[in-house]
Amino acid sequence: EAEVAQSPRYKITEKSQAVAFWCDPISGHATLYWYRQILGQGPELLVQFQDESVVDDSQLPKDRFSAERLKGVDSTLKIQPAELGDSAMYLCASSFGVGPYNEQFFGPGTRLTVL
Amino acid sequence: SQQGEEDPQALSIQEGENATMNCSYKTSINNLQWYRQNSGRGLVHLILIRSNEREKHSGRLRVTLDTSKKSSSLLITASRAADTASYFCATDKQGGSEKLVFGKGTKLTVNP
Repeated sequence: EAEVAQSPRYKITEKSQAVAFWCDPISGHATLYWYRQILGQGPELLVQFQDESVVDDSQLPKDRFSAERLKGVDSTLKIQPAELGDSAMYLCASSFGVGPYNEQFFGPGTRLTVL
Repeated sequence: SQQGEEDPQALSIQEGENATMNCSYKTSINNLQWYRQNSGRGLVHLILIRSNEREKHSGRLRVTLDTSKKSSSLLITASRAADTASYFCATDKQGGSEKLVFGKGTKLTVNP
């Protein structure tokens, strides 16, 4: 069964360092999402791509976060510099189409700890 | 910002019992979705109910939607220990952004 792949699964870093997360969506899925989930909360959308174009990045802290999906397939989310408050689970999801009726398939996430 | 709010925050039941979780939201929606998250893992889509539907079933899951009260419920019948997880409702915003907004979730524990 096709799955969304993410790496690394766990990342520990010190504040002010740079970190990067990678996501490979299900083949054929045009829409890719990055979410941040703080412990005890639901996921919050950071950025949404349709193919290689950003559809929504209104909640992305652009002073330190960046995301790209250069060839419209896999994607990288970067944080530079990391802050203590960035400790969270970073989830990637993909869907075949765009719009409110599309089921999103989630990867296992990357647990980030900033010391 | 979170649109949906689940209730209760935590629920503990015995295997075989039914579990009911509720979700309330604030604005008109196109659809409401329920997701499950096992500890430390990604989310799994359970069911989607459209704004013009009132009830939907999938296996042991039953979801209801009351748009007049802006609320939904998820019922899991004959619960199993494997149902232990956090359950989230997610809504879009009718006429607005198509992104999903998740609630804080209900943490369900099913004791064997």
